[in-house]
Amino acid sequence: QVQLQESGPRLVKPSQTLSLTCSVSGASISSGAYYWSWLRQHPGKGLEWIGYIYNSGSTYYNPSLKSRVTISADASKRQFSLKVSSVTAADTAVYYCARGRRPDYVPYWGQGTLVTVSS
Amino acid sequence: EIVLTQSPATLSLSPGERATLSCRASQSVSSYLAWYQQKPGQAPRLLIYDVSNRATGIPARFSGSGSGTDFTLTISSLEPEDFAVYYCQQRSNWLLTFGGGTKVEIK
Repeated sequence: QVQLQESGPRLVKPSQTLSLTCSVSGASISSGAYYWSWLRQHPGKGLEWIGYIYNSGSTYYNPSLKSRVTISADASKRQFSLKVSSVTAADTAVYYCARGRRPDYVPYWGQGTLVTVSS
Repeated sequence: EIVLTQSPATLSLSPGERATLSCRASQSVSSYLAWYQQKPGQAPRLLIYDVSNRATGIPARFSGSGSGTDFTLTISSLEPEDFAVYYCQQRSNWLLTFGGGTKVEIK
């Protein structure tokens, strides 16, 4: 059974870079068979897809965030990562990592981690 | 970008009643339409994918239907554990977008 666990700083200062890592157990990131995703949810609000990495290298990003977002994978560590640069308070959210066999929907989610942007 | 509009925002029903949730797209959506359930403090849970296919382990009381721009999630008889927020989601041009959600609350 695949398990996903987000980790990283819970508090980030404005203008800095938010960095999160998703540790994967029960599946291989390098197998090329899955889409490894990041999504977020602003407090009390709906869901926003950030992007995903596929086949250990191909990435797809939400155009609204593309200029500030990088998703990468480290198969040897069974991890994939999210970086969001130049953060503002609007980037305060619960961040989820997730996995799917297809790019169309998201069957498996981590528990999520709240990241607050504040000085 | 395809915008998904869910209605109603809140649905107040009693256990045992039928729930009908609507998701309308700003333009025609392919078959890549999914529904999720989210409870407070938890990650979303996939219920339905490809408009009408139940995800693994989802009870038969959940069903999805629709085409084009209008889609529906139906819960045939509400169980106590079904009171939650429900989101629809679509994919087009390598962009996933979600609706704003419908909260199903106990009347």
